[in-house]
Amino acid sequence: KQEVTQIPAALSVPEGENLVLNCSFTDSAIYNLQWFRQDPGKGLTSLLLIQSSQREQTSGRLNASLDKSSGRSTLYIAASQPGDSATYLCAVIYTGGFKTIFGAGTRLFVKA
Amino acid sequence: GAGVSQSPSNKVTEKGKDVELRCDPISGHTALYWYRQSLGQGLEFLIYFQGNSAPDKSGLPSDRFSAERTGGSVSTLTIQRTQQEDSAVYLCASSLVERDEQYFGPGTRLTVT
Repeated sequence: KQEVTQIPAALSVPEGENLVLNCSFTDSAIYNLQWFRQDPGKGLTSLLLIQSSQREQTSGRLNASLDKSSGRSTLYIAASQPGDSATYLCAVIYTGGFKTIFGAGTRLFVKA
Repeated sequence: GAGVSQSPSNKVTEKGKDVELRCDPISGHTALYWYRQSLGQGLEFLIYFQGNSAPDKSGLPSDRFSAERTGGSVSTLTIQRTQQEDSAVYLCASSLVERDEQYFGPGTRLTVT
């Protein structure tokens, strides 16, 4: 069964700290992996998309890595800010299909 | 430019009634997805449209759910004979081409009483 797991489920850090969010998937035959953030009561905002042929993508203070062989992706957030507080979701599209499978998310709280 | 829009933003309906939810994707995007997010649950894939190809309906939970996409643009998700377990936020996303970066709308919150 194709599953996506995110650890930890929740995380609270002081402002300024660097942090890592983890995403693991059970099948290495992925097409791409996308990271999103979701603010309470809102839709999803795309952060980064990594194609299966890529190892990492960067946008500002965010860096996402992909290791297909181990079935893992990490989202690194540098110098966290209170505005980074949100739920972070990773989503995988597997080869041979179009269905997107989401993890349950990591709820991040950055304390001022 | 304009993002993905969904209407209505909120819908309250009585059990047994039919509802229609609308999604307007980003102009020019050929792929369109519907998802459901129940309280305390993750996002659940429902259906996928790509151009004029037959949709991938593998995520629809029952035959009470159906969706169509007219003219390769606007999509409507229809739920017939609504049940209380259908209460959720229904999210729509579009991407420029198949399996590309997805952009989400704000969602429709459906409450079945």
